[in-house]
Amino acid sequence: GNSVTQMEGPVTLSEEAFLTINCTYTATGYPSLFWYVQYPGEGLQLLLKATKADDKGSNKGFEATYRKETTSFHLEKGSVQVSDSAVYFCALSANSGGYQKVTFGTGTKLQVIP
Amino acid sequence: GAGVSQSPRYKVAKRGQDVALRCDPISGHVSLFWYQQALGQGPEFLTYFQNEAQLDKSGLPSDRFFAERPEGSVSTLKIQRTQQEDSAVYLCASSLDPAGVTDTQYFGPGTRLTVL
Repeated sequence: GNSVTQMEGPVTLSEEAFLTINCTYTATGYPSLFWYVQYPGEGLQLLLKATKADDKGSNKGFEATYRKETTSFHLEKGSVQVSDSAVYFCALSANSGGYQKVTFGTGTKLQVIP
Repeated sequence: GAGVSQSPRYKVAKRGQDVALRCDPISGHVSLFWYQQALGQGPEFLTYFQNEAQLDKSGLPSDRFFAERPEGSVSTLKIQRTQQEDSAVYLCASSLDPAGVTDTQYFGPGTRLTVL
């Protein structure tokens, strides 16, 4: 079956530090890949997505590149802010009997300190 | 409304009680999904509706869990005879195009269920 593995947290960084959260996946076919973010007390929000190999998704300074050869979709940001503190979920979406079924990783908690 | 809404936001139940959780998807969205998110984990798929048809219920953990979407819009997830292991956040998501490879699921804020 499909699966997503992401680095365990929590990750603690100082403000303006560089962020990388690793994500690898296992899937048959050609899934779409996503990063969702969950701020404290809020629901999941789509952060960015990529639908085919070598696509780069980007939003709010975050970016991730769909790497089919390494089955990876690592999340990066050049300079994190305190407001980026949240839990980040890597996910894939693949066709399952006529609809797109999403599989999530376990989440990585990011804490940014001033 | 503009997004997916869920109610109640918080529910405390005594073990053995029945609960009903409601989801209002984005208007016009064909697909509706329910997920269960245990503490410190990612969401786990429970069930999927395309309009009023429940096409996949493979993730429902037991026959105590039941979901419906009778008119193809609002959905209810019902849990009978709740157990402590049912304590989790239940997330609802909707999307526009069930088969579209670029389709995106939009999530509600979730219902946090605590079973005492």
